[in-house]
Amino acid sequence: KNEVEQSPQNLTAQEGEFITINCSYSVGISALHWLQQHPGGGIVSLFMLSSGKKKHGRLIATINIQEKHSSLHITASHPRDSAVYICAVSLLRGSNYKLTFGKGTLLTVNP
Amino acid sequence: DTEVTQTPKHLVMGMTNKKSLKCEQHMGHRAMYWYKQKAKKPPELMFVYSYEKLSINESVPSRFSPECPNSSLLNLHLHALQPEDSALYLCASSHEGSSYNEQFFGPGTRLTVL
Repeated sequence: KNEVEQSPQNLTAQEGEFITINCSYSVGISALHWLQQHPGGGIVSLFMLSSGKKKHGRLIATINIQEKHSSLHITASHPRDSAVYICAVSLLRGSNYKLTFGKGTLLTVNP
Repeated sequence: DTEVTQTPKHLVMGMTNKKSLKCEQHMGHRAMYWYKQKAKKPPELMFVYSYEKLSINESVPSRFSPECPNSSLLNLHLHALQPEDSALYLCASSHEGSSYNEQFFGPGTRLTVL
């Protein structure tokens, strides 16, 4: 079993819909990261969370440390949100340099 | 400047060629990383430099040779690569000494080995 599990693997939505991507992890972490990667492109860091909730524009990320679960929400989705969203964690007992990645969620938003 | 830049964007090379990938950041980060990413997979860590010294080598074949000439620059020298080395090569940087390890990624170099 992977230490970081994301769901769903694939998600198709219509423009304007509210989207939720989930991430569960099984180990102690110091931080959880949500990353975005457009097809063929580099990776952009969206959020780094160690507790609570963060908001940036139409994106909201939450984390529940007790339940070892995080969600990424996109409000009023747009075709430009189509990308792979990757959850990654910094392990509490591990190298300060290594991230453990989930397998990613491919989001397609249709106009 | 909050950007990591990488050159070239695309590279096609033969198995006998020698080429280099370059990465640059001016955020004052003292940790720099090379990742390899195959299609539809998460990035795989290759190397980590901390204060210009190689800190982690994830058992990468010697045909990949990293170099960190100063705190802003990171190179990856390529020699005698195989077709299976074709991938997106990502550079990243982060502050040194933080357990949060927020990494800033570059746009990547798409490498094709013929």
